[in-house]
Amino acid sequence: DTEVTQTPKHLVMGMTNKKSLKCEQHMGHRAMYWYKQKAKKPPELMFVYSYEKLSINESVPSRFSPECPNSSLLNLHLHALQPEDSALYLCASSQEGRAAQETQYFGPGTRLLVL
Amino acid sequence: GQNIDQPTEMTATEGAIVQINCTYQTSGFNGLFWYQQHAGEAPTFLSYNVLDGLEEKGRFSSFLSRSKGYSYLLLKELQMKDSASYLCAVRDRTGGFKTIFGAGTRLFVKA
Repeated sequence: DTEVTQTPKHLVMGMTNKKSLKCEQHMGHRAMYWYKQKAKKPPELMFVYSYEKLSINESVPSRFSPECPNSSLLNLHLHALQPEDSALYLCASSQEGRAAQETQYFGPGTRLLVL
Repeated sequence: GQNIDQPTEMTATEGAIVQINCTYQTSGFNGLFWYQQHAGEAPTFLSYNVLDGLEEKGRFSSFLSRSKGYSYLLLKELQMKDSASYLCAVRDRTGGFKTIFGAGTRLFVKA
């Protein structure tokens, strides 16, 4: 099973809403990632969890709050977002996050629209 | 810092061969990936190079020259379904093994 699943597929939220994006993998990977991708732009790294601990935070605003409840799950909690936060949010996982040849497997993404 | 350059768009004909180039600058090079991304979908892994030379995988090959900071992805026997964005991504060990993506090359395959 080389699948990373993400829910929901689409999300529309107002600037005062609180919502969460969910990501799950069952490949035994110990590193999980959140990326943000705007149209026609490359994925931009937001957060990296390695062995359920936050190892990289790319200076992401606090209105985005990641959570890794266990090695298979990764959440991204959203609060008081801005319209410019509208994007495709991609989750990825890899074996450990430290080795050289670490292919990242991406989920299908959540397309977020902030009104 | 890191910098990855690849052409914005390319057009090729079905059945032909196309080469997508990527140049990079990074302080802690630790491998280079190529991903394919169809519009509105997630990136999917194509290839990985960490040593100089050519890696072949079916219709796709990827080449790396570390001394030149250069890679290319070669697609043979192009098919219409190969129309997609191709992302060059470099793994950098500084700051914790990040993978930095280039802006991608949008390939259009025409009949």
